Amino acid sequence: ETGVTQTPRHLVMGMTNKKSLKCEQHLGHNAMYWYKQSAKKPLELMFVYNFKEQTENNSVPSRFSPECPNSSHLFLHLHTLQPEDSALYLCASSQEGQGEVDTQYFGPGTRLTVL
Amino acid sequence: GQNIDQPTEMTATEGAIVQINCTYQTSGFNGLFWYQQHAGEAPTFLSYNVLDGLEEKGRFSSFLSRSKGYSYLLLKELQMKDSASYLCAVKDSNYQLIWGAGTKLIIKP
Repeated sequence: ETGVTQTPRHLVMGMTNKKSLKCEQHLGHNAMYWYKQSAKKPLELMFVYNFKEQTENNSVPSRFSPECPNSSHLFLHLHTLQPEDSALYLCASSQEGQGEVDTQYFGPGTRLTVL
Repeated sequence: GQNIDQPTEMTATEGAIVQINCTYQTSGFNGLFWYQQHAGEAPTFLSYNVLDGLEEKGRFSSFLSRSKGYSYLLLKELQMKDSASYLCAVKDSNYQLIWGAGTKLIIKP
């Protein structure tokens, strides 16, 4: 399945580093999402973009900064992270609109480790 | 608050049948999704239920009872490749997905 791609797949960074996660969807969808997945916890929705406009920001710390330059690309900029931010970061996309089931399709994720 | 409950882990035997339950309490209901996630991989869509009843898709079936806030995923003729986590998610009245923590299914030969 190559509908949603994410890079890098693995990332190790120190607390003072700045890095960016990239997501690209090839499904022609109009909505994109960032999720955080920690072991044995439900997926945590971080950000939602609909038609490139941010529509959700679920009280995410400012050290996470999203960017959506167009409906196919989504970035998550990271700076001064904490060890508890170590997790799998998943990107998803869906087609939102009347009559749509709006199933979300996920990328493979970036495994982030903060030292 | 909103809550999705599913068992943390289940074990079953190759060739057998297993039922993974999901109960939910959400503000409104606009559909229930099941996803499969193999370790280190993306969650992949399995099924969607919005009306009561059973939806069958090959070896996998999903059932919904809205009055009971209950769903199950039924996997038949289990194969080793079915070892994965199974995620239940409900779309609430704001069309936001509320996720369960997932059920890790272990298949033994």
